Amino acid sequence: SQTIHQWPATLVQPVGSPLSLECTVEGTSNPNLYWYRQAAGRGLQLLFYSVGIGQISSEVPQNLSASRPQDRQFILSSKKLLLSDSGFYLCAWSSNRGVYEQYFGPGTRLTVT
Amino acid sequence: AQKITQTQPGMFVQEKEAVTLDCTYDTSDQSYGLFWYKQPSSGEMIFLIYQGSYDEQNATEGRYSLNFQKARKSANLVISASQLGDSAMYFCAMREEIGSGGYNKLIFGAGTRLAVHP
Repeated sequence: SQTIHQWPATLVQPVGSPLSLECTVEGTSNPNLYWYRQAAGRGLQLLFYSVGIGQISSEVPQNLSASRPQDRQFILSSKKLLLSDSGFYLCAWSSNRGVYEQYFGPGTRLTVT
Repeated sequence: AQKITQTQPGMFVQEKEAVTLDCTYDTSDQSYGLFWYKQPSSGEMIFLIYQGSYDEQNATEGRYSLNFQKARKSANLVISASQLGDSAMYFCAMREEIGSGGYNKLIFGAGTRLAVHP
């Protein structure tokens, strides 16, 4: 069966510091991968998606970037965090075979101070 | 643009009773899909059920069923025989095609917080 991991689970970082969040998927190959952000008490907003190694598309212009160095690894980064980057970050995967369900990881709660 | 509306910020239900969580959507696409996810306090988003716009039967998964009324553009989630573990946030979502390769993203509603009382 497929599993999706994210780390760290929680993170407190000062404004202006760098960020690296990691997501890995097991049990599937060539998945579509997604980064979402959830502000407190709200629904999710798509930040980036990837359909293959090195292929990244951004949905929302912002202070963040994403990379996919391996088939099942997806990284969310920032060079300098802003207070507005605080939130709950969720990675998700879906099959590339026309199945629409997306399956989410446990998430990373980021607080920028 | 597609939009999902969940008008119930919070709902209460007694254990073992059924509850309906409302979801309405807006889209001009002929082909679309609707999802329900559960988010417990731990934060993980758990996929519950999916309904395609061309599916003739309402989707069911165990105690979850989706009451799909296409003309009304509604996709309500029905949870039968509520359990204490059903207490969570519930999100309705719709898939929207992105890019030119047939890929999809999910558009989420604001969510409904369900509390199951013993």
